[in-house]
Amino acid sequence: DTAVSQTPKYLVTQMGNDKSIKCEQNLGHDTMYWYKQDSKKFLKIMFSYNNKELIINETVPNRFSPKSPDKAHLNLHINSLELGDSAVYFCASSQGEGTNEKLFFGSGTQLSVL
Amino acid sequence: GNSVTQMEGPVTLSEEAFLTINCTYTATGYPSLFWYVQYPGEGLQLLLKATKADDKGSNKGFEATYRKETTSFHLEKGSVQVSDSAVYFCALSDYGGGSEKLVFGKGTKLTVNP
Repeated sequence: DTAVSQTPKYLVTQMGNDKSIKCEQNLGHDTMYWYKQDSKKFLKIMFSYNNKELIINETVPNRFSPKSPDKAHLNLHINSLELGDSAVYFCASSQGEGTNEKLFFGSGTQLSVL
Repeated sequence: GNSVTQMEGPVTLSEEAFLTINCTYTATGYPSLFWYVQYPGEGLQLLLKATKADDKGSNKGFEATYRKETTSFHLEKGSVQVSDSAVYFCALSDYGGGSEKLVFGKGTKLTVNP
């Protein structure tokens, strides 16, 4: 069974559209994250949630809104998509909040905005 | 905040060659240091870590030593295999805004040819 699964794997859409990426973890972890990896492989944290509460919110446009309906899910909704949003988005989870906790990553969602 | 700088890639080696991927960091205090690896089409996974000065992290033949005097955490492997082809990310812990997070380097792509 996949530990951290995210869907869809590929997402191609037009500028201005609204789209969502879903993430689920079956590890029983308390903390979940969204990372963005740009075309140069630079990986940057966007959000993290612990027990459904937002604990990290980096400088991300308001068009990005994470939603955590329960501990096992952290979905990412993006409004009014722009060309610069094209990237690979990774969901991750860890048992606790600290950085010494091992991160478990999903296999990524490649978003292409045309 | 804390940051890491990795050597620019891509790195191309022949099988059984010696590998070094340089990583230096800038930090206040004593962060934990990590290497994550991303195999093609997969999410990142933790390769090794070190939590204090002079600690050596090791896994799957890879090693890295936490050097406080040179603020470095270089990744090494004595004899690479084709299966080591991946993108390698150096990371460190950062504390800011009331929360802890991992800060990643830009990644170094390694290709090992038979």
